[in-house]
Amino acid sequence: GAVVSQHPSWVICKSGTSVKIECRSLDFQATTMFWYRQFPKQSLMLMATSNEGSKATYEQGVEKDKFLINHASLTLSTLTVTSAHPEDSSFYICSAKRQPSVGTEAFFGQGTRLTVV
Amino acid sequence: GENVEQHPSTLSVQEGDSAVIKCTYSDSASNYFPWYKQELGKRPQLIIDIRSNVGEKKDQRIAVTLNKTAKHFSLHITETQPEDSAVYFCAASMSTGNQFYFGTGTSLTVIP
Repeated sequence: GAVVSQHPSWVICKSGTSVKIECRSLDFQATTMFWYRQFPKQSLMLMATSNEGSKATYEQGVEKDKFLINHASLTLSTLTVTSAHPEDSSFYICSAKRQPSVGTEAFFGQGTRLTVV
Repeated sequence: GENVEQHPSTLSVQEGDSAVIKCTYSDSASNYFPWYKQELGKRPQLIIDIRSNVGEKKDQRIAVTLNKTAKHFSLHITETQPEDSAVYFCAASMSTGNQFYFGTGTSLTVIP
């Protein structure tokens, strides 16, 4: 299957600082990537859809000014958690589809565990 | 957006028995239903998927059934093995976009 890589795998940051998480499709181009948040023993909650060359589409209830998404190229999307607070601590995971059409597999990155202290 | 519900949240079976996980979705426009397996601390991996023009799909010990009228789909694992122990997520994808909406997950434990 296709390879999606996230960096870093884990990060600890101080309250008030910003953290950037990268999501790369290593062997295919992804016009669309997706960012999810997962709390322990809970489901993957879709946060936003990242579109190459245009603004991200955020799900209801997700603060776009807090979770900045940039999809500058066909292989890279970034999620920046701004002014992080302890409640932002979570597992963030991205996914990408090899083909933009509906009904095709999405490949996931390995996830980033963020801890805000 | 789409609302996907999944049951049960936890499931324990004896090795060799079958396991069934059920999901319902709310939007009749959804037409793609993948199932992902996630082991602790790892990324979700696709195990099987089904499209709305198909009622059933099977891959060795794993099968998925879809009832479009009732808007529910199920995962069936036969002859379960300890390595099947993981969290399983169903998802639905709407025809108007590429987003996946996930169910709440089922933690499956296969007891040797």
